[in-house]
Amino acid sequence: DADVTQTPRNRITKTGKRIMLECSQTKGHDRMYWYRQDPGLGLQLIYYSFDVKDINKGEISDGYSVSRQAQAKFSLSLESAIPNQTALYFCATSDLGGGDTQYFGPGTRLTVL
Amino acid sequence: KNQVEQSPQSLIILEGKNCTLQCNYTVSPFSNLRWYKQDTGRGPVSLTIMTFSENTKSNGRYTATLDADTKQSSLHITASQLSDSASYICVAPREGGSYIPTFGRGTSLIVHP
Repeated sequence: DADVTQTPRNRITKTGKRIMLECSQTKGHDRMYWYRQDPGLGLQLIYYSFDVKDINKGEISDGYSVSRQAQAKFSLSLESAIPNQTALYFCATSDLGGGDTQYFGPGTRLTVL
Repeated sequence: KNQVEQSPQSLIILEGKNCTLQCNYTVSPFSNLRWYKQDTGRGPVSLTIMTFSENTKSNGRYTATLDADTKQSSLHITASQLSDSASYICVAPREGGSYIPTFGRGTSLIVHP
């Protein structure tokens, strides 16, 4: 089984809908991240969490919120989806003891109509 | 804000040929630099991590070099294979201490038979 899983893998929704993307990991890492990837652009950090009680905004947090329900779970919500949030979303984990190398999930392709 | 610039943006080579990808970064002080490989539609996977004291590091047919004076890194791929077709992403930390990564836009490599 994959160490970092994301659900759903694909989602099509309409403008104004609330959407939740979920991420689970079995690597035992404390640090978790949500990224967005648009064609031709680098990965952009949305939110990150260094432990269950820690939530931090990344460079593009507007329009997004997160919840760290447990060490293994980190969910991303779009409160009211808009078309320019159409993108590929990745969850990642890392472990300071492991040099903070990031381990990525398979991604969620979100389309907002 | 730390910047990571990669070149070329895209590259097409024939199977069996070598190629070199470039990365320039601005982060200071420098702690480490990573190269990731991202297959189409999948999450990035770590190839190498280099600290400021390392000049070169190999991972099979992949060799990364680092010049901390000029703030440049390169990734050399030897005897390319079709499976090397992917995006190669250079990543530097945003600031020292807590590791928040800045991702380059990547170099898209296509290996033709």
